Amino acid sequence: GAVVSQHPSRVICKSGTSVKIECRSLDFQATTMFWYRQFPKQSLMLMATSNEGSKATYEQGVEKDKFLINHASLTLSTLTVTSAHPEDSSFYICSARDHGQGALGYTFGSGTRLTVV
Amino acid sequence: EDQVTQSPEALRLQEGESSSLNCSYTVSGLRGLFWYRQDPGKGPEFLFTLYSAGEEKEKERLKATLTKKESFLHITAPKPEDSATYLCAVYKAAGNKLTFGGGTRVLVKP
Repeated sequence: GAVVSQHPSRVICKSGTSVKIECRSLDFQATTMFWYRQFPKQSLMLMATSNEGSKATYEQGVEKDKFLINHASLTLSTLTVTSAHPEDSSFYICSARDHGQGALGYTFGSGTRLTVV
Repeated sequence: EDQVTQSPEALRLQEGESSSLNCSYTVSGLRGLFWYRQDPGKGPEFLFTLYSAGEEKEKERLKATLTKKESFLHITAPKPEDSATYLCAVYKAAGNKLTFGGGTRVLVKP
């Protein structure tokens, strides 16, 4: 089945620095990838949708200058948290869609635990 | 506005005690409803997709059903390894994205 690899799984960074998270579709081409944020004991909140070769579409309330998304190839999307602050600490999850599988095509990465100190 | 509501928020079961989780939705143009399992510190793992009212799907101790307003995930004779958070999500063709409910945290005690 479709596999999505997300790295790193955990990262600790200092306040004010930037952190990049990678999301790769390993065995399919993903024209669309999604980035979610999840707080403890809460559900997934969609942050943005990225389409290969074009600008990401951000959900209302998500700062596009803080959460930079790049989807430069059909198998890789990156999320960069710029000038991170403790309130950005969260669990970030990516999802890639294999359009060839229709509605079944949403596969999730294993998530990245970001801690900003 | 599309809404997906899961209940209960948390469920504590004894091993072997069957129960059901609810996912109610208010969505125009529903194309599919997904159930996922999420373990702590992991991404969601796909369980089922349901497309139309009356549809049912089963996998081991889990059975998912769908009506025009809600979906149920039945857990029959659960085991401790069924402990997880169960998420439902709806899919609309317009928008190309999933909308998740709040999840139900299930704890099965031996």
